[in-house]
Amino acid sequence: AQTVTQSQPEMSVQEAETVTLSCTYDTSENNYYLFWYKQPPSRQMILVIRQEAYKQQNATENRFSVNFQKAAKSFSLKISDSQLGDTAMYFCAFWEYGNKLVFGAGTILRVKS
Amino acid sequence: GAGVSQSPSNKVTEKGKDVELRCDPISGHTALYWYRQRLGQGLEFLIYFQGNSAPDKSGLPSDRFSAERTGESVSTLTIQRTQQEDSAVYLCASSDGWTGSYEQYFGPGTRLTVT
Repeated sequence: AQTVTQSQPEMSVQEAETVTLSCTYDTSENNYYLFWYKQPPSRQMILVIRQEAYKQQNATENRFSVNFQKAAKSFSLKISDSQLGDTAMYFCAFWEYGNKLVFGAGTILRVKS
Repeated sequence: GAGVSQSPSNKVTEKGKDVELRCDPISGHTALYWYRQRLGQGLEFLIYFQGNSAPDKSGLPSDRFSAERTGESVSTLTIQRTQQEDSAVYLCASSDGWTGSYEQYFGPGTRLTVT
C-alpha cells in the first residue's frame, strides 16, 4: 500500500523568509500524482500545488514550488517570502489511477511577524 | 459553479443518539471521500466511493459507522449510538476519479460534538 510521510509535525518561519516542508512517499508505481494541500484555521482545505510524476520539471505556483525527486520518492514544498496568511496545516498527498488519495499526517506551519 | 457542500455545518448531539451527515459533491464527480479530523490532527480516511464500484470501507473505525451514496450524487455518513470520541470535524471531498485533474475538492466540513 502507498504511504505518505511528513516527518515535521510543526515548523516556524519568520515573515518574508523561506521555508521547506518535507514529504516522502512509498510506491511501486511509475505514474502518479502528488499534491500539497493547505488547511488554514478556517478548516477549508485548499489545493496549493500539484505535480504529475511523469513531468520532470518541478511545479511552481507563485511563491510555492516543489522539489520533486522521483528516484528518492521525495516531494518537498518550498514557500518563499512567507506571509502571515500562510499559517496553516499543510498536507502532502499521493494519488494513482484507480486508487484513493492518501494523505500524510500534516505539518503545522506558523509564520511569525 | 457550486462546490462541495455539507450539512449541517455544526451538530451537537447527546451520547447514544444517531446522527446523519450529508455531503453534496460537485456535479459529475465520480469519486467521493469521507474523512474525520480530530482537533489539531490530520485527516483520517473513513470511506471512498468511486462510481458504481464497491466502496472502500477500510477506514471506518467501527460498525457504528456507515455511509451510502446513490449513484454519483449525494452521500450520507451515519454514526449510530454516538460516543464522545466521535466528536470531530467530518470532511467530505469529491474528485473526477477517472479523468481530469484528479484534484480533490473539499467541503467545509461538519463539526460534530457529542455531549
